[in-house]
Amino acid sequence: DGGITQSPKYLFRKEGQNVTLSCEQNLNHDAMYWYRQDPGQGLRLIYYSQIVNDFQKGDIAEGYSVSREKKESFPLTVTSAQKNPTAFYLCASSSGLNTDTQYFGPGTRLTVL
Amino acid sequence: AQSVAQPEDQVNVAEGNPLTVKCTYSVSGNPYLFWYVQYPNRGLQFLLKYITGDNLVKGSYGFEAEFNKSQTSFHLKKPSALVSDSALYFCATEGGSQGNLIFGKGTKLSVKP
Repeated sequence: DGGITQSPKYLFRKEGQNVTLSCEQNLNHDAMYWYRQDPGQGLRLIYYSQIVNDFQKGDIAEGYSVSREKKESFPLTVTSAQKNPTAFYLCASSSGLNTDTQYFGPGTRLTVL
Repeated sequence: AQSVAQPEDQVNVAEGNPLTVKCTYSVSGNPYLFWYVQYPNRGLQFLLKYITGDNLVKGSYGFEAEFNKSQTSFHLKKPSALVSDSALYFCATEGGSQGNLIFGKGTKLSVKP
């Protein structure tokens, strides 16, 4: 999983709670991404950041928030406004060019109880 | 809009036989195409990519992919399948200036002994 760590591996949340998923990379990559994976739907982009202190919404940003205070870190908060948060969450990083390979972390499986 | 399609939800192959996992694309401009593999409850692992040059791209673990501009396809191939190749395979293309990837829905490859 190439220099990207995600924690925790499994996360359980009660309805109405906010939770934060961690993503750290030591690849010195400028760009970082959060994707959500649901069975049979591939991966969908939640948020991305191409530089520190800047980030942009992806296709399904509603109910999520992020920060990028350090180059190495891009935490994702799943808020209580996210209607269907149970999913597998994947963080990725790259140098930022659209020809560059993205490297993925091992993922966090979030289950809402 | 950029998109890729994987027409098969599942591909079944006998060990030792050649395998093909199909992908077609619809992109504006030059196509940048990627293949990733995912094992259960793991992140995505990069296999190979096409940016420019030779239509036959060689990647990790003995996989290769053939870029066909006239058929807008980028099929993943391997001459002799292994049971350990059983996994979920994703085709992807670049999403534009933000550098994210746009994924197909994935194809589950099952290799039987």
